[in-house]
Amino acid sequence: SYVLTQPPSVSVAPGKTATLTCESHNIGTKSVHWYQQRTGQAPALVIRYDNGRPAGIPDRFSGSNSGNTATLTISRVEAGDEADYYCQVWDSTRSQPWVFGGGTKLTVL
Amino acid sequence: EVQLLESGGGRVQPGGSLRLSCVASGFTFDDHALTWVRQAPGQGLEWLSTISATGVSTYDADSVKGRFTISRDNFKNRIYLQMTNMRVDDTAIYYCAKDLGAAAGDYLENWGQGTLVTVSS
Repeated sequence: SYVLTQPPSVSVAPGKTATLTCESHNIGTKSVHWYQQRTGQAPALVIRYDNGRPAGIPDRFSGSNSGNTATLTISRVEAGDEADYYCQVWDSTRSQPWVFGGGTKLTVL
Repeated sequence: EVQLLESGGGRVQPGGSLRLSCVASGFTFDDHALTWVRQAPGQGLEWLSTISATGVSTYDADSVKGRFTISRDNFKNRIYLQMTNMRVDDTAIYYCAKDLGAAAGDYLENWGQGTLVTVSS
């Protein structure tokens, strides 16, 4: 099965930049989407198609995807950014087309 | 405003059955595929099942294939997840989510708040 690997945790001080990664073989050939899940809440889309922001997502959130690594970058981190972040791809060639990464807990120090 | 509201969760014994429902509003229901995703306590997101806008095509994760069945009623703006032969490891919050388009794929634009299912004797 296709596996997306995310570091379990990332810590960052307020005002700094957080870099969250999602790794898999040749992930750069796929579209990667990112979801934010605050404690006790449902997930919410924050990045689509590698680097697109849905309406209402601040431009502090950005994404990139190349080679074997997709990256979610959060600039000028705020306390409200503390959450779990999940990457996701959809691969129509597979019988299990939806794949989520294991998630990264972002802690704002 | 897009709204997705799940219901039907609760406690069930191992081997039992449960049917979840998700009612949608705020968008043209039969223009979108819909998906069930679950999250076990303290764990990550697990995709379960997706149904196309017309209901003709469905996709299921191996972990639930043969036990869970997704369906939809485009007159009632609802999708369902019929769960049978349930196991303790089916304990989770179950989310309903709206796909980008009519066919399954890409990303999940909107999510419901989830319904808790507990499988325990």
